[in-house]
Formats: sequence, C-alpha cells, structure tokens
Amino acid sequence: EAAVTQSPRNKVAVTGGKVTLSCNQTNNHNNMYWYRQDTGHGLRLIHYSYGAGSTEKGDIPDGYKASRPSQENFSLILELATPSQTSVYFCASGEGLNERLFFGHGTKLSVL
Amino acid sequence: QQKVQQSPESLTVSEGAMASLNCTFSDRSSDNFRWYRQHSGKGLEVLVSIFSDGEKEEGSFTAHLNRASLHVFLHIREPQPSDSALYLCAVASSGSWQLIFGSGTQLTVMP
Repeated sequence: EAAVTQSPRNKVAVTGGKVTLSCNQTNNHNNMYWYRQDTGHGLRLIHYSYGAGSTEKGDIPDGYKASRPSQENFSLILELATPSQTSVYFCASGEGLNERLFFGHGTKLSVL
Repeated sequence: QQKVQQSPESLTVSEGAMASLNCTFSDRSSDNFRWYRQHSGKGLEVLVSIFSDGEKEEGSFTAHLNRASLHVFLHIREPQPSDSALYLCAVASSGSWQLIFGSGTQLTVMP
C-alpha cells in the first residue's frame, strides 16, 4: 500500500513567519494534493500536482504556494502565515481517474 | 460547482445496531463516490468506493448509490465502539480528478 508521510506532525508558527509543510510518497503516484480540514468545511483542496514540476491551484489557493521538485515530494508553503491558516493539513497521493487517494496523517498548524 | 452535504452531523448508536449515514451531492453526472473514516488524530481511511448505482459492500460497510435522487448512503453493520470516528463522503464529477468532500458525520458507538 502507498505510504504518504507528512512532516512535521505539529507546528506552531508566528504571524508573518514562513511555514513549509512537507509531504513524501513512496508509491510513484503522479498526482499529489494538499487539503486543509476545518470544522464545517470537510477537506478543502489548496493545491495539487500532476507530476514533478507541476503545480495547480485548488479551490482555496490564496496565501499558499506549492512546490513539486520530484515525483516523491510535494511541499506546501505559507510565505506569510496568518492566524486564519490555523488548521489541519492533509497531503494525499493518487493515480488516474477513479483513483484511490492515500492520505498522510495530517499536520496540525497553529499560527499565533 | 459540486456541492456535497452529509447528514446527520452527529450520530450515536448502540453497539450492534445498524448505523446509516447520508450524503447528498449536486452534480447528477458524478461517477466517483468514496466513503472515508477518520479516527481522532489519525489520517483518513478509505472504506468503500462506488462508481455506479446500486450497492457495494466492503466488510461491514455498504455504500448505496442512487444518482437519480442525488444520494449515496453508508450503512455500517453491527458497529463496534472502535468504529466511533468521523465519516467523510467524497464525490467527483465525471471526468474530474478532484474529489469534493462533505464535512462529515461524527459517529459514536456506545458499548
């Protein structure tokens, strides 16, 4: 089964600081996704990627950048973190239509 | 744009009693439906995927899809306290890579 590893598991940041969330997958999936989970919103898509070098905007990309330097790694970058970005972030990978999505265990980010 | 809603927001059942969760979606052309489970502090676990009208069973979980009525249900047979978790429905429109998630149903199974 595909393994998706997120780091860090928990992060406390200050307003205005830069935050980088990392995701690594070992199943050679082309597609990778970053979601955030907030009460009442389910998981909302921030950015996604179809492969190394590609990044696409999801439904809520404002305030976030993404980087896919390799097939295995997909990072989410908050250049200027704000308290509204306090959330739990999930990375996922998958392959093709009707794909199963394999999720990481999440990163809990608190921006103070 | 696809909208996915789940009901109820929370559900408490006794151990062994059938639990039924509801998910409604807005795009009748959707053809990719997933039920996920998330235990507190953990990642999401795929329970069952269904791609056509009817039923799909995976262990104690059965998904029932009726696209005409824009509903997909999850039935949990003989739930155990360990099944207490947040259950998420996700739907993708035909030809789309993106799954749209509902906000979940918090299930509590009482011993």
